[in-house]
Amino acid sequence: EPEVTQTPSHQVTQMGQEVILRCVPISNHLYFYWYRQILGQKVEFLVSFYNNEISEKSEIFDDQFSVERPDGSNFTLKIRSTKLEDSAMYFCASSEGPSWAEENTGELFFGEGSRLTVL
Amino acid sequence: QKEVEQNSGPLSVPEGAIASLNCTYSDRGSQSFFWYRQYSGKSPELIMSIYSNGDKEDGRFTAQLNKASQYVSLLIRDSQPSDSATYLCAVILTNFGNEKLTFGTGTRLTIIP
Repeated sequence: EPEVTQTPSHQVTQMGQEVILRCVPISNHLYFYWYRQILGQKVEFLVSFYNNEISEKSEIFDDQFSVERPDGSNFTLKIRSTKLEDSAMYFCASSEGPSWAEENTGELFFGEGSRLTVL
Repeated sequence: QKEVEQNSGPLSVPEGAIASLNCTYSDRGSQSFFWYRQYSGKSPELIMSIYSNGDKEDGRFTAQLNKASQYVSLLIRDSQPSDSATYLCAVILTNFGNEKLTFGTGTRLTIIP
């Protein structure tokens, strides 16, 4: 069964360092997302991406964050200068159609997550 | 007002009983509703989607939607210990033409053998 894959599964970094989290969405999916979940808290939307551009971003997604689809398969989240409060699980997701689309095609499928620990 | 609201639990249900999970949402225009299951330290896993008022059944799971009351629920019949997890209600919320899947805080369910 097709799945979303994420690397690394766990990254430990020093405050102020740059981090890149990588995702390979399901191959026929066109819409890509990043969510994060701070330990013990809710899953929070960060950004959605379609047709090589950001379609929506949350207030969390400030200038230290960026996303890129550098080739036909990878979708990356870069955090430029990490802060302690960036420590969280970061989930990539993809969908065949937009989230508001007809039944089933807008359903999101999540990767296993990348746990980021900022020291 | 919280966009998607759930009782955080924990909810304890005896094995074999029915577990009932509830969710309310703020956006009256929402059309798409989902239930995800999340085991500790794992990613959300889609278990049910519902788009129309009424009930939708899939195996032991039944999702119920009432758009007039802005309420969606999940029933788990014949609860098993493996159903012990956090259940996340998720709703597509619209914001000036943009849509995003928004999660509630989740309800932690424990099935007691």
